[in-house]
Amino acid sequence: GNSVTQMEGPVTLSEEAFLTINCTYTATGYPSLFWYVQYPGEGLQLLLKATKADDKGSNKGFEATYRKETTSFHLEKGSVQVSDSAVYFCALTSSNFNKFYFGSGTKLNVKP
Amino acid sequence: NAGVTQTPKFRVLKTGQSMTLLCAQDMNHEYMYWYRQDPGMGLRLIHYSVGEGTTAKGEVPDGYNVSRLKKQNFLLGLESAAPSQTSVYFCASSNAGSGANVLTFGAGSRLTVL
Repeated sequence: GNSVTQMEGPVTLSEEAFLTINCTYTATGYPSLFWYVQYPGEGLQLLLKATKADDKGSNKGFEATYRKETTSFHLEKGSVQVSDSAVYFCALTSSNFNKFYFGSGTKLNVKP
Repeated sequence: NAGVTQTPKFRVLKTGQSMTLLCAQDMNHEYMYWYRQDPGMGLRLIHYSVGEGTTAKGEVPDGYNVSRLKKQNFLLGLESAAPSQTSVYFCASSNAGSGANVLTFGAGSRLTVL
C-alpha cells in the first residue's frame, strides 16, 4: 500500500539555522511527491513537488530531492526565518485516481 | 478567484445532532476531497469525488455521507454527530488527468461535538 512517514516534531530552531525534515514513503507504481505547508489558522498550501526519481523541487528557499533508491523526500532549507514557522506535511499521490496520502505533519518553530 | 470556500468555519454540535459542511470551488476542478485533521494523525481522507454525481469512500468514511450534485460543490454530512467527530475538516480540489496534480485546500471548518 501507500504511506508516508515523517519525523515527529516539534522542531525548534533559531533564525538562520539549517533545516532538515525527514520524509520516507512506501508506494506502488511511480508516485509524485509533495511538501505542503500549513500556517496557523489556514489550510494547506503546496510548497514544492517532484514527479519522478532524481527530480528536485524547490520554492522559497526550500528544496527536496526525490530519492527512489532510499524512498525519501527530505525537506531542507539553508537559513530559516521566523516566518517559516508552520506545520509541514509530506505527501504522495497514487498512480491512479489522484488519491493523496499525507504524513502526520512536522511542526516547525523558529525563534528570533 | 475565491479558490475553495468552506462554510461554516466553526460549529458546535450536541451529540446526535446533524449538520452539513459545504465546499465550493470556482476552478472547474474535476476532483474534490474531504479530509479531517486530528492532532498527531495528519490528514485522513473521508470521502472523495472524481466528478459530478460520483462519490467514493476514503480511509475513514464511517459516520459521514457526501453528495456531489453540482461540479462546483461537495457536501459533507453528519447524520448523528458523535464526540469522536470533533475535528478540523478540510475540503480540497484538483484537476484530473495528470499524475502531478496539485491539491487546492479550503481554510478549514472546525467542528466541536459535545
